[in-house]
Amino acid sequence: SQQGEEDPQALSIQEGENATMNCSYKTSINNLQWYRQNSGRGLVHLILIRSNEREKHSGRLRVTLDTSKKSSSLLITASRAADTASYFCATDGGSNYKLTFGKGTLLTVNP
Amino acid sequence: EAGVVQSPRYKIIEKKQPVAFWCNPISGHNTLYWYLQNLGQGPELLIRYENEEAVDDSQLPKDRFSAERLKGVDSTLKIQPAELGDSAVYLCASSPPIADQETQYFGPGTRLLVL
Repeated sequence: SQQGEEDPQALSIQEGENATMNCSYKTSINNLQWYRQNSGRGLVHLILIRSNEREKHSGRLRVTLDTSKKSSSLLITASRAADTASYFCATDGGSNYKLTFGKGTLLTVNP
Repeated sequence: EAGVVQSPRYKIIEKKQPVAFWCNPISGHNTLYWYLQNLGQGPELLIRYENEEAVDDSQLPKDRFSAERLKGVDSTLKIQPAELGDSAVYLCASSPPIADQETQYFGPGTRLLVL
């Protein structure tokens, strides 16, 4: 069963623009993670935000977390064609390090 | 540092045939995961190993799926017999000992097509 749900399902932007993806989840979490999956490749971990954090930055990535709304957002600034991929949020809800993934947002960055 | 290695990358079989996938985790990673990813969906956990012990196999369809992790390193996931609905990507992931276990490192996956 999927815990997180990303929105939008697909997003198409021009190179240089910012991309924002949202994730909503249902149950309490220890942390929320974002992963990227390029066509034909495995998932790559991008960033982790803990339940007691509200915002985190990593390079061109900015993640926010609102536990009261059970939602998170991923912002990619100054997008590049190489950012074209599917982006998944994954929640870790307990002490067993079990990740539950959403369905993902397909981001297309046009050169 | 080498990443998680999976083989084969692609497999085409006929229904009712057996199939096996192999995974070699990152050196030193004691936790190993097998995930199933259907088209247009996120990965779903099948089984998690801590060293050689399967600590969470609640999502593994045990009537046809089996897994093993002998010696706590490499792992094999088997399906016997395969059904049409098993067509998917099978991902293996690993994570280091407890201090930084929250992040998982994924292999490229095995894409299975059952005809």
